[in-house]
Amino acid sequence: QSALTQPASVSGSPGQSITISCTGTSSDVGGYNYVSWYQQHPGKAPKLMIYEVSNRPSGVSNRFSGSKSGNTASLTISGLQAEDEADYYCSSYTSSSTPPFGTGTKVTVL
Amino acid sequence: QVQLVESGGGVVQPGGSLRLSCAASGFTFSSYGMHWVRQAPGKGLEWVAFIRYDGSNKYYADSVKGRFTISRDNSKNTLYLQMNSLRAEDTAVYYCAKDQDYYGNLDYWGQGTLVTVSS
Repeated sequence: QSALTQPASVSGSPGQSITISCTGTSSDVGGYNYVSWYQQHPGKAPKLMIYEVSNRPSGVSNRFSGSKSGNTASLTISGLQAEDEADYYCSSYTSSSTPPFGTGTKVTVL
Repeated sequence: QVQLVESGGGVVQPGGSLRLSCAASGFTFSSYGMHWVRQAPGKGLEWVAFIRYDGSNKYYADSVKGRFTISRDNSKNTLYLQMNSLRAEDTAVYYCAKDQDYYGNLDYWGQGTLVTVSS
């Protein structure tokens, strides 16, 4: 049950695009198309932003998109806005039903 | 609308026990798996436990296995987490979350309840 690896921080200017990576193994990220991404603002509960690698729940801005290649999944935020400043976590299904979370990435809007 | 409301958090001494509850509404509780996820102060998210929609299977993180028990009462639309032999490192905000489709997509979360293990 090892955590998935994410960069500690990513930053960008308003309007720019940024990408957050999430690296796992063939037992989690690489083995299934069930990667999800969560946004968490300080003091708030996490919010599902992407599920099944690239699907957006109803109400989530289309500025958020997801993809996967091998054992690494990615979350891209385009047209960065001040409200996107938050912590982001990835997670993946595993065959043992023990979904690890990523180490978390702090997104800063410059 | 979907609502998940946790309760039962508080301060407990090392070695003590606590039971958390999560009251669910706005969806057919008995049709969905449920998770507990925790977050230590200033740290990241840590998955704790999962229970299938009918309670037939339960899964735990290695860090809590043998000490924590997840359960549910579908007649009361309530999820539970019994925590025994608590340690300082169990101090965290505990969230309950609904699984969208059994594959670990947690589509709704509660507001969390704080558990502090301290003497």
